[in-house]
Amino acid sequence: SYELTQPPSVSVVPGQTASITCSGDKLGDKYACWYQQKPGQSPVLVIYQDNKRPSGIPERFSGSNSGNTATLTIGGTQVIDEADYYCQAWDSSTAHVLFGGGTKLTVL
Amino acid sequence: QVTLKESGPVLVRPTETLTLTCNVSGFSLSDATMGVTWIRQPPGKALEWLAHIFSNDEKSYSTSLKTRLTISTGASKRQVFLTMTNLDPVDTATYYCARIRYSFGTVDYWGQGTLVTVSS
Repeated sequence: SYELTQPPSVSVVPGQTASITCSGDKLGDKYACWYQQKPGQSPVLVIYQDNKRPSGIPERFSGSNSGNTATLTIGGTQVIDEADYYCQAWDSSTAHVLFGGGTKLTVL
Repeated sequence: QVTLKESGPVLVRPTETLTLTCNVSGFSLSDATMGVTWIRQPPGKALEWLAHIFSNDEKSYSTSLKTRLTISTGASKRQVFLTMTNLDPVDTATYYCARIRYSFGTVDYWGQGTLVTVSS
């Protein structure tokens, strides 16, 4: 079965750039999304179709997807960005939704 | 304004059947580009996709759970139901319903989630 792999945790200093990766076989051939989830809250879509930002998502959130890796980049990371981040892809051949295991972003 | 709201039992006994309801507003399941998906999250763990349904009644289920799941819509196309049979304590989780876009599987709006505990 297809799997998406994320690092369990990433740490960043406020104001610096945070990068969270998501790996899967030929992931670049699929579209990747990213969700932010803060404690006790529902996930929020922050990047879709590899690099598009929904309305209301700050410009410091960006995404890329090529080869076997999708990356969520947060430029000028703020304390409010501390959260769990999940990547997600769509397997068009099976119409299945695929989630990564999540990455806890710590801003310290 | 798109909203989704889950409802269902808070506590379920092992081996029982769980039925969850998702009430949607701000969009219709008659729209060919949109559907509703169910996703769960055990306490402290990752998101797990369960199933989805689109306007053409196209359904898809998680491979590992497909024998236990049934997804369906109400006649008004404003409700989506998820039934899970033979509950086990490992099924304890927050269950979310969310809107999914057909083309790329983007999940763009989420409900608040409902915590279901499986315990005797």
